[in-house]
Amino acid sequence: ILNVEQSPQSLHVQEGDSTNFTCSFPSSNFYALHWYRWETAKSPEALFVMTLNGDEKKKGRISATLNTKEGYSYLYIKGSQPEDSATYLCAFFLDYGQNFVFGPGTRLSVLP
Amino acid sequence: EPEVTQTPSHQVTQMGQEVILRCVPISNHLYFYWYRQILGQKVEFLVSFYNNEISEKSEIFDDQFSVERPDGSNFTLKIRSTKLEDSAMYFCASRRTSGRGNEQFFGPGTRLTVL
Repeated sequence: ILNVEQSPQSLHVQEGDSTNFTCSFPSSNFYALHWYRWETAKSPEALFVMTLNGDEKKKGRISATLNTKEGYSYLYIKGSQPEDSATYLCAFFLDYGQNFVFGPGTRLSVLP
Repeated sequence: EPEVTQTPSHQVTQMGQEVILRCVPISNHLYFYWYRQILGQKVEFLVSFYNNEISEKSEIFDDQFSVERPDGSNFTLKIRSTKLEDSAMYFCASRRTSGRGNEQFFGPGTRLTVL
């Protein structure tokens, strides 16, 4: 059974703080890793699709890195804002089949 | 901007009843998925669908579950005889291609409550 883990489970930061969290996944049979941002009562929204070891992707104040050899990805948020409050999910995509395995998510609360 | 839609947003049913959850994927997408999330647990893969057939399914997707693309736009998940443990949020997703760089687009979900 494949296991994708995320840490921490939840995080409270002050507005303006920078923060980061981790997604850990099996390092074999890697195909792709997706990061999603999921606000309550909305659809999960894709942030990044990461495919190559060493990938670094950036969208505004949010960025992500990927290390497929050791099986982890970091998501960074610079200068957190209250609107960044959401659950951040990573999903590991196996190199066979069409099956994503999701991590449990990191719930971020940004306090004004 | 095109989006995945799902109906209904909330369905309440009695144990043993059949339910059909409906999804309209983005129109030029070819790969379709159902996931569920039981309250407090991880999002779990149920099934993927391509070219009018199931391409992969999880252990959760037993004989009580079926999927169909009846008319080229809708993608449905049927649960034949619901159990209490089927209560969850069900998400539909679609992708344009199966390429590794291609993202999934999720619908807003249907909350299924089995009484």
